[in-house]
Amino acid sequence: DQQVKQNSPSLSVQEGRISILNCDYTNSMFDYFLWYKKYPAEGPTFLISISSIKDKNEDGRFTVFLNKSAKHLSLHIVPSQPGDSAVYFCAASARRFDSSGTYKYIFGTGTRLKVLA
Amino acid sequence: SQTIHQWPATLVQPVGSPLSLECTVEGTSNPNLYWYRQAAGRGLQLLFYSVGIGQISSEVPQNLSASRPQDRQFILSSKKLLLSDSGFYLCAWRAPGLAVNEQFFGPGTRLTVL
Repeated sequence: DQQVKQNSPSLSVQEGRISILNCDYTNSMFDYFLWYKKYPAEGPTFLISISSIKDKNEDGRFTVFLNKSAKHLSLHIVPSQPGDSAVYFCAASARRFDSSGTYKYIFGTGTRLKVLA
Repeated sequence: SQTIHQWPATLVQPVGSPLSLECTVEGTSNPNLYWYRQAAGRGLQLLFYSVGIGQISSEVPQNLSASRPQDRQFILSSKKLLLSDSGFYLCAWRAPGLAVNEQFFGPGTRLTVL
């Protein structure tokens, strides 16, 4: 059961235009969502996050929107740059109800973004 | 600032050989630590997590084990590697407690089992 889904494996966008990456989730217990950017042979880099009590978070060219009723979030990159070309992972976290007191993270399968110059 | 290191960066091992991957974190105390694996064309699968020295929780049954001998050291091991153990292994850390939710990843280790 895939609780976090990124249904578009790839996306191509012209430089300067908006890139929109989508993510859907099924578990209403998720209370925090994160986006990561990953280059080949490197670890994912944290980009931006949003708490489930908000519907928008903005950081420079990156904005994440959360629609809780639809269980959907999206990452907008404006304007897109060639250096943004990478694989983007969506992740959702929920508190573990065990003695660990930590969070569980579920990742989507990623969307490969290609920004064309 | 906090940094996370993993080594080796790449590893080619024969089937049946042992494995030891190391992860260390600097600049923080008592971090939550995680091991993930990314198989080719797949997402990130959580293998193990740890909230303290000697405290290891396993997410999925497998051919691997983890240990945390020191506060900022996390080790992934296997006694006998399988072909299916090939993949990109990522270590991640997160600040303890509930206030900060972001996870930060190391550079990864590419493991190829032949």
